[in-house]
Amino acid sequence: AQSVTQLGSHVSVSEGALVLLRCNYSSSVPPYLFWYVQYPNQGLQLLLKYTSAATLVKGINGFEAEFKKSETSFHLTKPSAHMSDAAEYFCAVRPGSARQLTFGSGTQLTVLP
Amino acid sequence: NAGVTQTPKFRILKIGQSMTLQCTQDMNHNYMYWYRQDPGMGLKLIYYSVGAGITDKGEVPNGYNVSRSTTEDFPLRLELAAPSQTSVYFCASSDTTTGGELFFGEGSRLTVL
Repeated sequence: AQSVTQLGSHVSVSEGALVLLRCNYSSSVPPYLFWYVQYPNQGLQLLLKYTSAATLVKGINGFEAEFKKSETSFHLTKPSAHMSDAAEYFCAVRPGSARQLTFGSGTQLTVLP
Repeated sequence: NAGVTQTPKFRILKIGQSMTLQCTQDMNHNYMYWYRQDPGMGLKLIYYSVGAGITDKGEVPNGYNVSRSTTEDFPLRLELAAPSQTSVYFCASSDTTTGGELFFGEGSRLTVL
C-alpha cells in the first residue's frame, strides 16, 4: 500500500527566505506525485505534478519539486517566500495505474513579515 | 467554466438526521471522488467512482453511501448522522487525460450536533 509522510505539520519562514516543505512516499510501483495548495476556506489547487518525465518539476507561483527515487522524496521548494504563500500544502501519491490519490497530513506554511 | 460544484457549502445536522451532499462536474471526467478533511489528518478517501454505475469504497466508507447514475453527478449520502461525521467534505474529479490530477470542488462544511 502506498503512503505519504509530510515532515513538519507547521513551518514558519520569513518573507524572502527559502521555503522547503518535505514529503516522503512509499509505493510498490513507480508513482505519480503531486503537490496541492489550500488557501483558507477553499478547495485544493494543483501546484505541480511528477509523471515520470523530468525529475525537477516546476509549478505555479515559483514553486518547484525534485523527485529523488533513491530517497523516495518529493520535497517542495521556493527560493523566496511571499506573504501570499501562506497556506496549507499537501503532498499526494498515485501509484502506477491506481485511480485514487493518497494524501499526506499537510503542512501549514506561515510567512512572517 | 464551473469545474466541480458542491452544494451545500455549509450544513448543520442533528444526530440521527440524514442528508445528501451534491456534487456535479462539467468536464466530462470519468473518475469522481469524495474525500473528508479533518484537522491534522489530511484528506481521507470515502468513496470513488470510475464511471457511471460503478462505485467503490475508499479508506473510510462507514456511514456513507454513494451513487453514480450519470457521468456528471456523484452525490454522497449520510444516513443517521453522527458527531464523528463532522468534517469538511470535498468532491473531486479526474480523467486519464489529466495525468491523474484531481480537480476539487470548494468543499462542504458539515457539523453534526
